[in-house]
Amino acid sequence: EIVMTQSPATLSVSPGERVTLSCRASQSISSDLAWYQQKPGQSPRFLIYGASTRATGIPARFSGSGSGTEFTLTISSLQSEDFAVYYCQQYNHWPYSFGQGTNLEIK
Amino acid sequence: QITLKESGLTLVKPTQTLTLTCSFSGFSLSSSGVGVGWIRQPPGKALEWLALIFWDDDERYSPSLKSRLTITKDTSKNQVVLTMTNVNPVDTGKYYCAHRPSYGSLFDYWGQGTLVTVSS
Repeated sequence: EIVMTQSPATLSVSPGERVTLSCRASQSISSDLAWYQQKPGQSPRFLIYGASTRATGIPARFSGSGSGTEFTLTISSLQSEDFAVYYCQQYNHWPYSFGQGTNLEIK
Repeated sequence: QITLKESGLTLVKPTQTLTLTCSFSGFSLSSSGVGVGWIRQPPGKALEWLALIFWDDDERYSPSLKSRLTITKDTSKNQVVLTMTNVNPVDTGKYYCAHRPSYGSLFDYWGQGTLVTVSS
């Protein structure tokens, strides 16, 4: 079973800053990685697939990169609506697994 | 427009069977590559895969829960049903159903979720 590890668990940043979230897979998953955003009381929102392709309607300030075992999600200039928990998920090998999440909070 | 909505009993006693229904619109579960999955989230914790059913009736289950889960689909009714037997308090959490697109086993549309509480 592939274990997805996200770091850091919590990140405190100010609006307007650039931030990078990390996700590591315990074995290679090629580029079969998705990112989701979840705000309190809401369902997850699909952001990125194929490690770097933005889903429909996702702002250009969100970008993903990586392949193999190391992946990142970058938000170029944080907006107030971006403060949330972010999850990565691998879909290369069953059972498909989520990371434990990174909580992006306002500094 | 794709929408999904979960329904079912929200309070279940330990050892009972939990049955959740996902009613969806905007896509067909007979379309090649498409699937519907169930994901849960204990309070304050991370997302956890439970099960996935594909357009061709292939089923996938979380290995740790496989013996307790059954997922079925009714294409004519646009519904997917998840059954979990012998529930216990650790099964408490928000249960989501979601759409799996043809290009990968990720979830691009999610239901609003239903909060299930297991308590005597």
